Amino acid sequence: GENVEQHPSTLSVQEGDSAVIKCTYSDSASNYFPWYKQELGKRPQLIIDIRSNVGEKKDQRIAVTLNKTAKHFSLHITETQPEDSAVYFCAASIWTGTASKLTFGTGTRLQVTL
Amino acid sequence: GAVVSQHPSWVICKSGTSVKIECRSLDFQATTMFWYRQFPKQSLMLMATSNEGSKATYEQGVEKDKFLINHASLTLSTLTVTSAHPEDSSFYICSARSEGGFVYEQYFGPGTRLTVT
Repeated sequence: GENVEQHPSTLSVQEGDSAVIKCTYSDSASNYFPWYKQELGKRPQLIIDIRSNVGEKKDQRIAVTLNKTAKHFSLHITETQPEDSAVYFCAASIWTGTASKLTFGTGTRLQVTL
Repeated sequence: GAVVSQHPSWVICKSGTSVKIECRSLDFQATTMFWYRQFPKQSLMLMATSNEGSKATYEQGVEKDKFLINHASLTLSTLTVTSAHPEDSSFYICSARSEGGFVYEQYFGPGTRLTVT
C-alpha cells in the first residue's frame, strides 16, 4: 500500500519567515495530494490540494509543488503569522472515481514565534 | 456547505462496555465515509471505509468485530466500539466525500474523544 513520509516533524520559524514542509510518497499511481491543518483537538482542515496533472498551485500565502518523477510534494507558507501555528499533515490518494482512500503523513508541528 | 458532524464530541465509558459514535453529512449525500483514529501527537490512521448499503472495508490490523461500522443511509454512518478497553482511548474522526463528478475532497467531522476507564 501507499506510504507517505513527512519532514520535518517539528518546525519553528519567526513571524514573517517562510516555512517549508516536505513529503514523499511510494505509490506512483497516487494522483491527489491534499494538505491539512489541524489545531489541537480540532478536525483537520483542508488548506490546499494538488492533482497529479499540475506541478504547482498557489493560494495567497500558501503554495504546493509536486514532482511526480521524484514522488515528492512540498508545502510552502510565506510571511508566516502566529495563527499559522498548528500541525500540518500531507496526504496522498489514488482517485479511481469510486474510492479515494487517503494515506496521511506523520505530521509537522509548526510553531511561529513573534 | 459540506458539513460533517459527529456525536458525541467526547465520551467516557467503563472498560467492557460499548460506545456508539455517529457521523452525519448535514448538507450533502455521502456514499462513502471514512473512519480514522488518532492518538495524541500522532497522525490519522484509517480504520475502515464505510459504504452505504454494504459492508465496511477494514484496514489491515483493525478488528472488524470490535469496531462495528454501519452505514445505513447516505447521511449517516456509525462506529460502535464493542467491549472497550483503556487502549481504545483515542480521538476518532470520520470524514465523508461529497458525491458527483470528479470530487476529490474529503470533509472531516469534529472528532470524538473516547476515554475508557
